[in-house]
Amino acid sequence: AQSVAQPEDQVNVAEGNPLTVKCTYSVSGNPYLFWYVQYPNRGLQFLLKYITGDNLVKGSYGFEAEFNKSQTSFHLKKPSALVSDSALYFCAVRDLRYSSASKIIFGSGTRLSIRP
Amino acid sequence: NAGVTQTPKFQVLKTGQSMTLQCAQDMNHNSMYWYRQDPGMGLRLIYYSASEGTTDKGEVPNGYNVSRLNKREFSLRLESAAPSQTSVYFCASSLGGYSTGELFFGEGSRLTVL
Repeated sequence: AQSVAQPEDQVNVAEGNPLTVKCTYSVSGNPYLFWYVQYPNRGLQFLLKYITGDNLVKGSYGFEAEFNKSQTSFHLKKPSALVSDSALYFCAVRDLRYSSASKIIFGSGTRLSIRP
Repeated sequence: NAGVTQTPKFQVLKTGQSMTLQCAQDMNHNSMYWYRQDPGMGLRLIYYSASEGTTDKGEVPNGYNVSRLNKREFSLRLESAAPSQTSVYFCASSLGGYSTGELFFGEGSRLTVL
């Protein structure tokens, strides 16, 4: 069965510093990997995805993520944090073994707090 | 462009009552999903519909039923609500099939069961 783990409930970073939000996954086949962001009282918004190819993928709002197959990780990164980045971040995985069914599983979420 | 629309946004039920959450998308997507969000648990998949006419159980299907009414609409029904079903429910859609599968979410429905 596919699963996603986000080991940190909360990450605190000073504005201007780099940030990393961790994600590890488990699938039987090859994964599609995603990051989503949720602002208070809103639905989730897509940030970026890894499908194949370059292990470093770039997404919205200056975020990027690094896919590491040997460590089964897909960590979200940003070189310089902004206060407006404060939100709840979710990692998600789609197992390509079920490619026609599009079943997508989410992690438990990490709350990112950026202090001025 | 409305995207994914969920109704109602808020609902309070008593234990044992039934209700249906409605979801509609206007993006001509094939796949639709229902998730619940609980503190510390993230999003958990309840049911999904890969395409019109098909539905499948997700991680936490017990106590719920779904109907894929047509390509646009996917409803979630609680036949006999329990306090454990107090949660925020999100509907989502994606192009589906062999696409890369990013999801588009509704704004959520906050359900309280007393």
